Amino acid sequence: GAVVSQHPSRVICKSGTSVKIECRSLDFQATTMFWYRQFPKQSLMLMATSNEGSKATYEQGVEKDKFLINHASLTLSTLTVTSAHPEDSSFYICSASPRAGTEAFFGQGTRLTVV
Amino acid sequence: GNSVTQMEGPVTLSEEAFLTINCTYTATGYPSLFWYVQYPGEGLQLLLKATKADDKGSNKGFEATYRKETTSFHLEKGSVQVSDSAVYFCALNSAGGGNKLTFGTGTQLKVEL
Repeated sequence: GAVVSQHPSRVICKSGTSVKIECRSLDFQATTMFWYRQFPKQSLMLMATSNEGSKATYEQGVEKDKFLINHASLTLSTLTVTSAHPEDSSFYICSASPRAGTEAFFGQGTRLTVV
Repeated sequence: GNSVTQMEGPVTLSEEAFLTINCTYTATGYPSLFWYVQYPGEGLQLLLKATKADDKGSNKGFEATYRKETTSFHLEKGSVQVSDSAVYFCALNSAGGGNKLTFGTGTQLKVEL
């Protein structure tokens, strides 16, 4: 199947700093990627839809100024957690599909810890 | 809105035991239903899916049947192996929702010798 690579897999940062997470589709082009977040013992929650060449679409309750999404090419979307706080500590995971309506392929996720 | 409820884990089984992980859903319209698996250190992988009522998805010995009357999509395997140890996610994709998925909380399965 298609491969989506997410980097880094783990990151620890200090409060107030920013962290960038990358999501790459390695063997296909993706005009749309999705960013999810998972709290311990809770569902994966969709944060935003990343659209190549245009602004991301954020789900209700997600702060767009805090979670900056850039989808600058057909194979790369980035999520930047700005001015991170301990409550931003979570598991972040991206997905991408070769075409709308087809199977979604997931990255391996990023465990963010803010200290 | 859409939601997925699945049994909490961890579920611990001996090798060759029978596995059931329950999943029920709430959705408008006629969603597609999925089971994803996440092995340690890896991304989510699609395990199986069903796109309409009474469809049975199957893969690697796992099965799940789309039951509209009970809004369920329980995952089963007749004989688990240690290599099946992973986290299993039930999910749905509502009609017209593109590739947006609504997930359950995930169920960790541990299979011991």
